[in-house]
Amino acid sequence: DTGVSQDPRHKITKRGQNVTFRCDPISEHNRLYWYRQTLGQGPEFLTYFQNEAQLEKSRLLSDRFSAERPKGSFSTLEIQRTEQGDSAMYLCASSPGAAKNIQYFGAGTRLSVL
Amino acid sequence: RKEVEQDPGPFNVPEGATVAFNCTYSNSASQSFFWYRQDCRKEPKLLMSVYSSGNEDGRFTAQLNRASQYISLLIRDSKLSDSATYLCAVNKWDFGNEKLTFGTGTRLTIIP
Repeated sequence: DTGVSQDPRHKITKRGQNVTFRCDPISEHNRLYWYRQTLGQGPEFLTYFQNEAQLEKSRLLSDRFSAERPKGSFSTLEIQRTEQGDSAMYLCASSPGAAKNIQYFGAGTRLSVL
Repeated sequence: RKEVEQDPGPFNVPEGATVAFNCTYSNSASQSFFWYRQDCRKEPKLLMSVYSSGNEDGRFTAQLNRASQYISLLIRDSKLSDSATYLCAVNKWDFGNEKLTFGTGTRLTIIP
C-alpha cells in the first residue's frame, strides 16, 4: 500500500495523559498536513510541513500540541495533557506540491479522551 | 460567515435520481476547488478537482461559478454506493498558505 499511513488507528487515553500520533506520507510527497475532524464537521487545518520545515500553524494548535517532521519524511503529532475536547479524528494528508495542491488523506487516528 | 458553506442535508434520494449539491466560498482569492467523498468513519477521498470550464467524470459533473463564488456537484443515475458525505474544499494556492478549507459536508443517502 503506497498511500498515506497513520498509526495508531485508534487511541483511548485518560485526561491529562500525553499522546503521540505518527503519519507516513506518500513517498516523495514533500508536503504534509495535519487536520482535525469532529463529528458533523469537515476537517479543520492544524499545521503543514514542506519537507522538514513547519510553515503554517492554525490558531487551533494550542501550546499543548506540537508537530515535527525531522527528516522530511514521516511526521509526529503530540498532544500533551490531553483534554476531553481533544477527542476527534486526526487526519494526515500529503501532497506532491504541484499545481492545484491535491491532498491525499490517511485513514486517520481516532482519539478518545476519557 | 464561514469560509466554506454547504447544506448539511441529509439528502435522501431514490436510486436512479439526479442530485445536486452547492457549496459557497467567501474568499474571492480562492484558486483551487475540490469535491471529496467521505464514508462513515473513513478518511476523505478525492472525488474531483473542479475546473473553471467545468468537468465531468462518468456520472459526476462539477462546475465552478467564480462570479457567484460557488461550486456544484451533480450526480446522475445515483447508485446505492453513492451514499456518503460529500465535502467541498477550497484552497488559495500561495506559498505558505496551502491549507484546504472544508465545508461541513453534505450527507447523501440513496434509497433503494
